[in-house]
Amino acid sequence: QQQVKQSPQSLIVQKGGISIINCAYENTAFDYFPWYQQFPGKGPALLIAIRPDVSEKKEGRFTISFNKSAKQFSLHIMDSQPGDSATYFCAASSGGTSYGKLTFGQGTILTVHP
Amino acid sequence: EPEVTQTPSHQVTQMGQEVILRCVPISNHLYFYWYRQILGQKVEFLVSFYNNEISEKSEIFDDQFSVERPDGSNFTLKIRSTKLEDSAMYFCASKENGPRAEAFFGQGTRLTVV
Repeated sequence: QQQVKQSPQSLIVQKGGISIINCAYENTAFDYFPWYQQFPGKGPALLIAIRPDVSEKKEGRFTISFNKSAKQFSLHIMDSQPGDSATYFCAASSGGTSYGKLTFGQGTILTVHP
Repeated sequence: EPEVTQTPSHQVTQMGQEVILRCVPISNHLYFYWYRQILGQKVEFLVSFYNNEISEKSEIFDDQFSVERPDGSNFTLKIRSTKLEDSAMYFCASKENGPRAEAFFGQGTRLTVV
């Protein structure tokens, strides 16, 4: 019940295309859903995050869509660029004694071809 | 920009030896975490630390692991008797108080047990 399932495992997109990565969760106590970007040899860095009180959040070329009833959320990268090539992790956390603890998805390796 | 710093960047140790991984969290942060990432796999939660005590730990965090905040700035992860399967990237993270606070990750320590 603590798992976050992420797909696809890898994704290849042409420059200028749209990259879409999906995640699903079971634990209804999750109330914070961040996406992290990780470049080789680096730690995960927060890209964008959403809470379940909104269905969509947009920051520049990055958009999170959130479907609370389906317990799914997705990351859309518009106008994908070669510099976006990285591993993307969705994550989820809840309050209480687990405050801030992140449960990560399996990760998606995104390759954007020029 | 404030950042979480980890040392060493790479540690090679023999099986059965003790290792200490060090982290300096961001100075005004109150919550501290250790995560690990086995090569090619997802980031996994190990332990969270708040108010000078462990607030939560995962199944991975058994008696061989311990954490300390010895001097109010450093945050350490000790593995008492390393096993081959402890080989992984270990990430320290910290966050300030508040439900919308972002967790900042360090660059990681690559631990190789031989």
